[in-house]
Amino acid sequence: GQQLNQSPQSMFIQEGEDVSMNCTSSSIFNTWLWYKQDPGEGPVLLIALYKAGELTSNGRLTAQFGITRKDSFLNISASIPSDVGIYFCAGPRWRGSQGNLIFGKGTKLSVKP
Amino acid sequence: DTGVSQDPRHKITKRGQNVTFRCDPISEHNRLYWYRQTLGQGPEFLTYFQNEAQLEKSRLLSDRFSAERPKGSFSTLEIQRTEQGDSAMYLCASSSQGLTGDRYNEQFFGPGTRLTVL
Repeated sequence: GQQLNQSPQSMFIQEGEDVSMNCTSSSIFNTWLWYKQDPGEGPVLLIALYKAGELTSNGRLTAQFGITRKDSFLNISASIPSDVGIYFCAGPRWRGSQGNLIFGKGTKLSVKP
Repeated sequence: DTGVSQDPRHKITKRGQNVTFRCDPISEHNRLYWYRQTLGQGPEFLTYFQNEAQLEKSRLLSDRFSAERPKGSFSTLEIQRTEQGDSAMYLCASSSQGLTGDRYNEQFFGPGTRLTVL
């Protein structure tokens, strides 16, 4: 079945470092969404992308819609402790789907000990 | 606070009991969604409503699960005869069409209801 693969599964960050993660699919998406989830809370929408090649920023976060439409990337610049959490990519399960989102398994960001 | 709210935040029940969760969406949103999330996984779609109409249901939504949105505002999700495998976080989200009609996928989530079935 259709699935989104997120990489890496987890990573440790040190304050001030830049962070990169990606999301890939075997099928084409026309929308990519990036969410962040803190423990015990619901996901929070960070960035939405609608066009292949689109690059969108939200503060220190920048996301790109891959030109193949099968991948997306999220970068966090100059990380801070509150960036810790789980980052999910998501997209509509099928073309024209308005609401049935499929999510990746997430990339977990933790502070380097 | 004008975000999505869910009640209760936590529910512990014994196997075989029925439970009901409530979700209040963002007031101007006409679409409401239910998802289930287990540990180490992303949210999995269960069902969604546009106003009071239930437009799509996942195969995950067995006949023990029922969702309603009677007046197109709040929604309830009921699980009958709960099983231990139902233990999960149940998330509600809402969205609106937006000016250009392409914003339904920008879903805003509530804090979730964590269900534990003993």
